[in-house]
Amino acid sequence: QSVLTQPPSVSAAPGQKVSISCSGTSSNIGNNYISWYQQLPGTAPKLLIYDNNKRPSGIPDRFSGSKSGTSATLAITGLQTGDEADYYCGMWHTSLRGVFGGGTKLTVL
Amino acid sequence: EVQLVESGGALVQPGRSLRLSCSASGFTFGDYAMSWVRQAPGKGLEWVGFVRGKAYGGTSESAASVKGRFSISRDDSRSIAYLQMNSLKTDDTAVYYCCREWPHYSGSYDSWGQGTLVTVSS
Repeated sequence: QSVLTQPPSVSAAPGQKVSISCSGTSSNIGNNYISWYQQLPGTAPKLLIYDNNKRPSGIPDRFSGSKSGTSATLAITGLQTGDEADYYCGMWHTSLRGVFGGGTKLTVL
Repeated sequence: EVQLVESGGALVQPGRSLRLSCSASGFTFGDYAMSWVRQAPGKGLEWVGFVRGKAYGGTSESAASVKGRFSISRDDSRSIAYLQMNSLKTDDTAVYYCCREWPHYSGSYDSWGQGTLVTVSS
């Protein structure tokens, strides 16, 4: 059981927007930066968002991150079938060290 | 281009040891902390541990679940990070990924290897 809680699955139609939440507490999310990763089937994870809301070079602006209080959110707009993947939030915790959420499976209907 | 290539995965019996390697190229290896993350079959990501860059002494830390059994080290002259796994258990069965931490010491990992499979079974 991770200290970061994600919904097991979300779904939306192509072209729509979907949001994936990552919930914690004031002692973890509240005090630390959140990252988001996309893992396509059979591949290694890929960094989408770091420091709560920054995109690495090459990541389209359809992907955005935000954080408020004890929850972080990954939003994906203009959904494409190629976005079907597992998505993980992660952070560095001062005592637990590296922490990931349980992951959310995105289905594009 | 940043490249990370893991090797050393194998089928091993419980209680035995195994060492994984992560060969890096395309960046100044010694400047970066390197981490290991694993993924059990059908499960999520689990942080295993990391080794700091030379500016921070190259010290390492491991997750509570593997502390005392796993250790992480690095050879900056060869651009390789290692994961030494001792007293392996069936629960250690997973794909093990090597990843580079960027921004520095942010807890974000911008480059990942393809992973190497470790199967612990009698």
